[in-house]
Amino acid sequence: DVKVTQSSRYLVKRTGEKVFLECVQDMDHENMFWYRQDPGLGLRLIYFSYDVKMKEKGDIPEGYSVSREKKERFSLILESASTNQTSMYLCATRTGEKSEAFFGQGTRLTVV
Amino acid sequence: GQSLEQPSEVTAVEGAIVQINCTYQTSGFYGLSWYQQHDGGAPTFLSYNALDGLEETGRFSSFLSRSDSYGYLLLQELQMKDSASYFCAVNSGYALNFGKGTSLLVTP
Repeated sequence: DVKVTQSSRYLVKRTGEKVFLECVQDMDHENMFWYRQDPGLGLRLIYFSYDVKMKEKGDIPEGYSVSREKKERFSLILESASTNQTSMYLCATRTGEKSEAFFGQGTRLTVV
Repeated sequence: GQSLEQPSEVTAVEGAIVQINCTYQTSGFYGLSWYQQHDGGAPTFLSYNALDGLEETGRFSSFLSRSDSYGYLLLQELQMKDSASYFCAVNSGYALNFGKGTSLLVTP
């Protein structure tokens, strides 16, 4: 079974802090994604990566950056956390553009 | 950019059939996927259509018309456990973009 592990299930951070959300997958998948999920807005794509050190902006990249130094790990970075970044963050991975995506259990981030 | 439209809520009776529609606007279209998400859980893959037509997987079927930029998910013999959110998603190259989701409530 594919396993996608997000480092924290719940996280509380202060406004202005630099926040790191980690995602690790164990299936050697090329593609990895970061989404945020908010009620009524569905899953919105923040960034994605199709290879090591490669990254592409999604629909809402502002205020975020990512890092993919190793194939199995994709990190989402909030440079200076703000209250409007309070959300559920979901990491996903897949092997190719036509295959199914596998999701982690999500990190519920609260910025106070 | 990407744009996907699906109904926000659908209610149906146990044992009935329900159809959830999805229309999309996108560039670089590879196919349309469907995902299910129960409250508190992660989205899980249901089906994928790359070509026009119907794909059937047990009680679930998914349809795609590329010329109409339209697809639907058909759930038959509804069960209470089918109450969940359902998302259509466009595969466009490396990206995977989701709609806002349809909340399905199955009632006794």
